[in-house]
Amino acid sequence: DTAVSQTPKYLVTQMGNDKSIKCEQNLGHDTMYWYKQDSKKFLKIMFSYNNKELIINETVPNRFSPKSPDKAHLNLHINSLELGDSAVYFCASSQRVSKDIQYFGAGTRLSVL
Amino acid sequence: LAKTTQPISMDSYEGQEVNITCSHNNIATNDYITWYQQFPSQGPRFIIQGYKTKVTNEVASLFIPADRKSSTLSLPRVSLSDTAVYYCLVTKNFGNEKLTFGTGTRLTIIP
Repeated sequence: DTAVSQTPKYLVTQMGNDKSIKCEQNLGHDTMYWYKQDSKKFLKIMFSYNNKELIINETVPNRFSPKSPDKAHLNLHINSLELGDSAVYFCASSQRVSKDIQYFGAGTRLSVL
Repeated sequence: LAKTTQPISMDSYEGQEVNITCSHNNIATNDYITWYQQFPSQGPRFIIQGYKTKVTNEVASLFIPADRKSSTLSLPRVSLSDTAVYYCLVTKNFGNEKLTFGTGTRLTIIP
């Protein structure tokens, strides 16, 4: 079983569309994250949830809205997609935060045309 | 959070030992040093974590001098499958502070 799974793996869409990426972890972790990795391979955190509560919210446009229906799921909804949103988005989870090992999903490659 | 500095890239031949050094001059007392590995088209994967001296697991060793201002990830007898980007992070022992991934070191193993 995949510990952290995210869907879809690839997402190609037009500018202005709204799309969602789903993430689920079966590790029993309390904390989940969304990261963005751009074309230059910089990996930057976007959001972090602990037990469904938002605890880290980096400077991300309001068009990005995370939703955590329960502590095993953290979905990312993106409104009005722009060209600059093209990147690979990674979901991760950890037992708590900071020092604890983070387990990453395989990533969702988003291409906005 | 302590900033880390590591070489942008390294090349090595198969079968050699590879050492990647990371500088973290502003590391705090409660900070740990954690290394992740990322293969192309995959998410980062935890390799090893340490606080001081030496830590060894089945994949790598981590050497941390007494002043803890740097650390060295050692990969014994590398193979082509070790080609990846290696990230050095400083992580707090508590709290909600975010992880900051730097540029990482792109390690290329040559046959």
